[in-house]
Amino acid sequence: EIVLTQSPGTLSLSPGERATLSCRASQSVSSRYLAWYQQKLGQAPRLLIYGASSRATGIPDKFSGSGFGTDFTLTITRLEPEDIAVYYCQQYGSSPWTFGQGTKVEIK
Amino acid sequence: EVQLVESGGGLVQPGGSLRLSCAASGFTFSHSAMTWVRQAPGKGLEWVSSISVSGDNTYYTDSVKGRFTISRDNSKNTLYLQMNSLRAEDTAAYSCATGYKYFDFWGQGTLVTVSP
Repeated sequence: EIVLTQSPGTLSLSPGERATLSCRASQSVSSRYLAWYQQKLGQAPRLLIYGASSRATGIPDKFSGSGFGTDFTLTITRLEPEDIAVYYCQQYGSSPWTFGQGTKVEIK
Repeated sequence: EVQLVESGGGLVQPGGSLRLSCAASGFTFSHSAMTWVRQAPGKGLEWVSSISVSGDNTYYTDSVKGRFTISRDNSKNTLYLQMNSLRAEDTAAYSCATGYKYFDFWGQGTLVTVSP
């Protein structure tokens, strides 16, 4: 199975800064089949990005995804307090679908 | 508005059984593949099982194969997960979600605790 490793574990930034979250796969993720989710405390996960770079319906353009192969990135521009959450990547190119362990984004 | 509401969780002894349900509304359930994902307390997300639109095709992670059965009733807009031979490591919040590969909408989850 493909293991996804997210870094950093915790990201602490000031409002307005840019957050860069990394997701590294143990094997190449075929066809860029990678998604990103946001999970706020006590809430269900929310799909942000699929296909490595396509924003889901209703997701603002402050969230963007990039990458291919084994290295993927989620970028959040203009960080706001409402962006406080754990962010997960997930690959669906090779069964079983797997998730990364998450990156927690905090506001300083 | 898409709504997914899980039920059926609870405390069960090792080796016991539970059936989870997921009531769907706000979209055409019979047109959507569905999935169960679980999250152990304080841990990350784990894909458990998925089912095709018709229910003819089902998929499982290795650790639950032969113990869990996913099914759906399109006439009732409901997804199920029959869980048998439960183990301590199955303790988690179980959420249903729309989709088969990536998951557009999620429920809040129902907690399953496997303990003597």
